[in-house]
Amino acid sequence: SAVISQKPSRDICQRGTSLTIQCQVDSQVTMMFWYRQQPGQSLTLIATANQGSEATYESGFVIDKFPISRPNLTFSTLTVSNMSPEDSSIYLCSVVWTGGDEKLFFGSGTQLSVL
Amino acid sequence: SQQGEEDPQALSIQEGENATMNCSYKTSINNLQWYRQNSGRGLVHLILIRSNEREKHSGRLRVTLDTSKKSSSLLITASRAADTASYFCATGPNTGTASKLTFGTGTRLQVTL
Repeated sequence: SAVISQKPSRDICQRGTSLTIQCQVDSQVTMMFWYRQQPGQSLTLIATANQGSEATYESGFVIDKFPISRPNLTFSTLTVSNMSPEDSSIYLCSVVWTGGDEKLFFGSGTQLSVL
Repeated sequence: SQQGEEDPQALSIQEGENATMNCSYKTSINNLQWYRQNSGRGLVHLILIRSNEREKHSGRLRVTLDTSKKSSSLLITASRAADTASYFCATGPNTGTASKLTFGTGTRLQVTL
């Protein structure tokens, strides 16, 4: 299994500012995923973060708005830039379990409110 | 989109009763998984069923998969207050990749004493 530490757990931010979310995994993983969960909604994949290369963004998400870093195999950050109230969501990082099944382990989430 | 649709959207039962939630999806899959989310926190993996399996059990959980109908169900038996959470199905694409799960819309389960 994998243990993922994600922080901050919650934050309240002002419009126009940026927030960086950190995700630390207790083992080396090839791919890390960042998801967004808007209030009362399902999870939407933002991007896949690969160590040593640019992140791969899903349709509707762009690097300027959600820059991602992946400096090593255990750590990644997601920045939510120039925030607006529409960015109020839960942001979740996750990794794929490499023990044979394709299941995901998740961080505890960052609940972001933008005023 | 391959996103799963779950029903019901919300379910309220009493402790000790069984809870059944359903998931439908649109395209071919490699596997289907169920996750639980407590109060807006991170998701926890519950169970995975592969496309060539029809039923799987894990403790009080029973999952069925009908690939001809593109549907799955999750049964929680003898529910407890601690089972109160949102439950999501997620489908793994039939492309051999071990990533990019697509999550369903979720069922909010409330178990009362």
